[in-house]
Amino acid sequence: GQSLEQPSEVTAVEGAIVQINCTYQTSGFYGLSWYQQHDGGAPTFLSYNALDGLEETGRFSSFLSRSDSYGYLLLQELQMKDSASYFCAVILAGSARQLTFGSGTQLTVLP
Amino acid sequence: DGGITQSPKYLFRKEGQNVTLSCEQNLNHDAMYWYRQDPGQGLRLIYYSQIVNDFQKGDIAEGYSVSREKKESFPLTVTSAQKNPTAFYLCASRPRQNTGELFFGEGSRLTVL
Repeated sequence: GQSLEQPSEVTAVEGAIVQINCTYQTSGFYGLSWYQQHDGGAPTFLSYNALDGLEETGRFSSFLSRSDSYGYLLLQELQMKDSASYFCAVILAGSARQLTFGSGTQLTVLP
Repeated sequence: DGGITQSPKYLFRKEGQNVTLSCEQNLNHDAMYWYRQDPGQGLRLIYYSQIVNDFQKGDIAEGYSVSREKKESFPLTVTSAQKNPTAFYLCASRPRQNTGELFFGEGSRLTVL
């Protein structure tokens, strides 16, 4: 089976940097994705790591280390609108490429 | 504009009733998925379909049924056999390229009274 673990809550102040970690146990996967979800809304895609290393997209960066079964999402220059839930998800090996999601991290950005 | 449309956005039903949630996409994606989300929880896979007239059970398929008669449409029926159906249901689709991205609809919130 697969399992992904994330912290349930993280709090930071505007302008700060925050890192949300994701550790996983899976027998095989193509890569690790990150999604953002505001209350009552649909998840929106943030980033995808197929290979080890850092991927940067504006204020957001994501990192993957397959040898450590670990990834993280880094949010810089935090803004109030970044308050949301953040989910990591592994793309399982196989033709279906199903995504298995972690339980999410609730980020609260304080003024 | 291309996207995924789910309806209804909110739905109330009495215990013992079946209900069907609609999901339509005009993105020309082959693969479509149904997820369930409970408060404070992650997304759990109910069913998925990679191609028309074919679908597979996900992790929590009991009490649900789907069909995929057209590429654009992937409706989900929540049957009376589902013991705890109150949840937020999300439909998604995936392009053929392996970009790691799912495109989600806005969701349907089902409440059983």
